[in-house]
Amino acid sequence: AQKITQTQPGMFVQEKEAVTLDCTYDTSDPSYGLFWYKQPSSGEMIFLIYQGSYDQQNATEGRYSLNFQKARKSANLVISASQLGDSAMYFCAMREGMKTSYDKVIFGPGTSLSVIP
Amino acid sequence: DVKVTQSSRYLVKRTGEKVFLECVQDMDHENMFWYRQDPGLGLRLIYFSYDVKMKEKGDIPEGYSVSREKKERFSLILESASTNQTSMYLCASSFPRGISGANVLTFGAGSRLTVL
Repeated sequence: AQKITQTQPGMFVQEKEAVTLDCTYDTSDPSYGLFWYKQPSSGEMIFLIYQGSYDQQNATEGRYSLNFQKARKSANLVISASQLGDSAMYFCAMREGMKTSYDKVIFGPGTSLSVIP
Repeated sequence: DVKVTQSSRYLVKRTGEKVFLECVQDMDHENMFWYRQDPGLGLRLIYFSYDVKMKEKGDIPEGYSVSREKKERFSLILESASTNQTSMYLCASSFPRGISGANVLTFGAGSRLTVL
């Protein structure tokens, strides 16, 4: 069963506008971590932002913020003031494994974001 | 400044061949991972390792094996390649959770494998 769902295969946003990329997850572990990665057309994977399950505040990193709603098991990425360089695939990921001694990181199917000039 | 190196960027193999994909990291990371990336499916975890000689199955281990004889090297092996293993393979590494709460993954550039 898929543990990370990204329901938006493709999104368009006007340059300078804000955009929200959806991510929902499923885990029974009380301790977990959530990540967002960006993959431009060049193929490299770029870490954007992290949220721990016990973090009290939503994570922010520059123009990126993570809208973490624990009860709903959602971790949406908000990109403010979109730029042309934001056009890329975006992946939501989860680290789980509190019950074990190691870390397992799984990814969602991704959302393709296109920024329109 | 390269931190995770995948030995082959592009490979073309024939059905039934044995294929080795090598990954080396120079950051002294304990965790190493192999994913395959396919359009519409995202990254799917094949195997991961949290220590030398230790390995754990991911979500799609069938048809693959791995080897980690040294901390810095994690190899993915396709014993008998099949056409449905044509994909992009990504290696990644990280510190364990205890060292860094975020334990961010550092990825290699990827190996695009085509099996004919």
